[in-house]
Amino acid sequence: KNQVEQSPQSLIILEGKNCTLQCNYTVSPFSNLRWYKQDTGRGPVSLTIMTFSENTKSNGRYTATLDADTKQSSLHITASQLSDSASYICVVSPNDYKLSFGAGTTVTVRA
Amino acid sequence: NAGVTQTPKFRVLKTGQSMTLLCAQDMNHEYMYWYRQDPGMGLRLIHYSVGEGTTAKGEVPDGYNVSRLKKQNFLLGLESAAPSQTSVYFCASSYTSVSEQYFGPGTRLTVT
Repeated sequence: KNQVEQSPQSLIILEGKNCTLQCNYTVSPFSNLRWYKQDTGRGPVSLTIMTFSENTKSNGRYTATLDADTKQSSLHITASQLSDSASYICVVSPNDYKLSFGAGTTVTVRA
Repeated sequence: NAGVTQTPKFRVLKTGQSMTLLCAQDMNHEYMYWYRQDPGMGLRLIHYSVGEGTTAKGEVPDGYNVSRLKKQNFLLGLESAAPSQTSVYFCASSYTSVSEQYFGPGTRLTVT
């Protein structure tokens, strides 16, 4: 069973709207949690990295939150743009280089 | 500064054929990784290297071999390709074990 579960699997939103992606994990011990953006046909690109002591971190219109007690994280996209269409991957690191990847949420932004 | 590059971008193999995927990074990173990405699954670590001349097995190493003869290059080899190895392969590198991993553009491999 995957230790990082993401929901929804996919979603469609209209340009300019907001959306929130969810990530639940069971990885333990926990060092940090990362969100990556992967455009179709490209490699993942880091959006945010949070340690267990951080509750929120922003990168432009992307805001990630973390609740280490409930082992949940979310990625909020504000005022979506067509370029936000991509897969968003939640990645949890138990200690060092060994990353546990979620299957990703595919976001489609329509004009 | 090209970051992480991978060659080739696409390849079709027949069962039993062999090939080598090349990953190169120009960021002077110590750590390099090979992942595979399959539909509906998260990326899975195949092999990794913590420095020139060193390699280690990841989560799904069977059927693959790697070499790190130069710090900037990490090669992934398939000695006898199988249809189960049809996947998209990503190389990544990082400066330390806990720092951000930078990914290459991927290689789409199809084994028929």
